[in-house]
Amino acid sequence: EPEVTQTPSHQVTQMGQEVILRCVPISNHLYFYWYRQILGQKVEFLVSFYNNEISEKSEIFDDQFSVERPDGSNFTLKIRSTKLEDSAMYFCASSLTGLREKLFFGSGTQLSVL
Amino acid sequence: GENVEQHPSTLSVQEGDSAVIKCTYSDSASNYFPWYKQELGKGPQLIIDIRSNVGEKKDQRIAVTLNKTAKHFSLHITETQPEDSAVYFCAATFNDYKLSFGAGTTVTVRA
Repeated sequence: EPEVTQTPSHQVTQMGQEVILRCVPISNHLYFYWYRQILGQKVEFLVSFYNNEISEKSEIFDDQFSVERPDGSNFTLKIRSTKLEDSAMYFCASSLTGLREKLFFGSGTQLSVL
Repeated sequence: GENVEQHPSTLSVQEGDSAVIKCTYSDSASNYFPWYKQELGKGPQLIIDIRSNVGEKKDQRIAVTLNKTAKHFSLHITETQPEDSAVYFCAATFNDYKLSFGAGTTVTVRA
């Protein structure tokens, strides 16, 4: 079965530093998403991306966050100046044609901000 | 926005018994209800989903029921096996993948 791949699996950074989390969605998918899960809490929607632009974002996705599809295969989440409360597992996901098709999640990047 | 509540938070069952997880949602406009299974070290994987025009859906040992009037939906796993041990998440959304997740249920199947 096709997979969404995320790198790195773990990222440790100092507060205030920039981090980039990387994802390779399934090759023919058109819709891309970032979710996060703070330890012990619910999985939360961050942002959806389609046709090279953000289609929707949550209140969590403030000016410190940005997403990009720099080439035909990668989808990245950048946090400009990390805060302690950004520590979480970040999941990338993709789907072929939106809600009509299955949503595939990657294995996640565990971000720890010290 | 949508709020999804999930119960129980943990569930321990004897192998071969059934497991039931229940979720309620707040937004009556929600029309898509997926269930995800998350194994250790992996991302959530879709195991079954149901749309609001259907009351029940079954796939081998798993089934989902939806009560739109009461705004709740449930996951049923029959004849549980050790490989069913995982964290299960329900979710709800209206017409897109801006999913609202429940808090998860840790299911442990005892051999």
